Amino acid sequence: GNSVTQMEGPVTLSEEAFLTINCTYTATGYPSLFWYVQYPGEGLQLLLKATKADDKGSNKGFEATYRKETTSFHLEKGSVQVSDSAVYFCALKDTGRRALTFGSGTRLQVQP
Amino acid sequence: EPEVTQTPSHQVTQMGQEVILRCVPISNHLYFYWYRQILGQKVEFLVSFYNNEISEKSEIFDDQFSVERPDGSNFTLKIRSTKLEDSAMYFCASSEDRLVEEQYFGPGTRLTVT
Repeated sequence: GNSVTQMEGPVTLSEEAFLTINCTYTATGYPSLFWYVQYPGEGLQLLLKATKADDKGSNKGFEATYRKETTSFHLEKGSVQVSDSAVYFCALKDTGRRALTFGSGTRLQVQP
Repeated sequence: EPEVTQTPSHQVTQMGQEVILRCVPISNHLYFYWYRQILGQKVEFLVSFYNNEISEKSEIFDDQFSVERPDGSNFTLKIRSTKLEDSAMYFCASSEDRLVEEQYFGPGTRLTVT
């Protein structure tokens, strides 16, 4: 079946540090990949997506590249801010299905 | 910006009681979903709904669960006889159509079964 594995958190960084949150996946078809973010007390917000191999999704300074050869979709940001503190979820949607399969989430804490 | 809304934000119920969780999806969206997240665990898919019928469901979505779109705006999840293990955050989501894959989530309803 499908699965998504994320690095365990929390990840604690200082402001302006470089961020990488690792995500790898297993899927039976050709999935689309997503990163969602959950700020404290709020729902899941779509951050970025990629629908095929080598696509790069980007939004608000975050980016992730769909790597089919390594089945990965790592999230990166060059310079994090305190306001980026949240829980980040990697997810996939397999071909022909509606369901999203989520990773366990990675909590990011950015200190001033 | 249009958003998915959910009510109530927190529901406390006794084991064996029925609960209905309510959602108002984004108005021009055609696909609707429920997910749940037990504390400390992954977000899990429950069900998707399109054209007034269930289009996909997970193993979690057994006979205790049902969904309904009672009117043109609301989408509900009913749990007939709640169990302690139903305690979780329940998220509603919607997406525009078959070709648009992004799902937009509501803020969630925290269900506590005592």
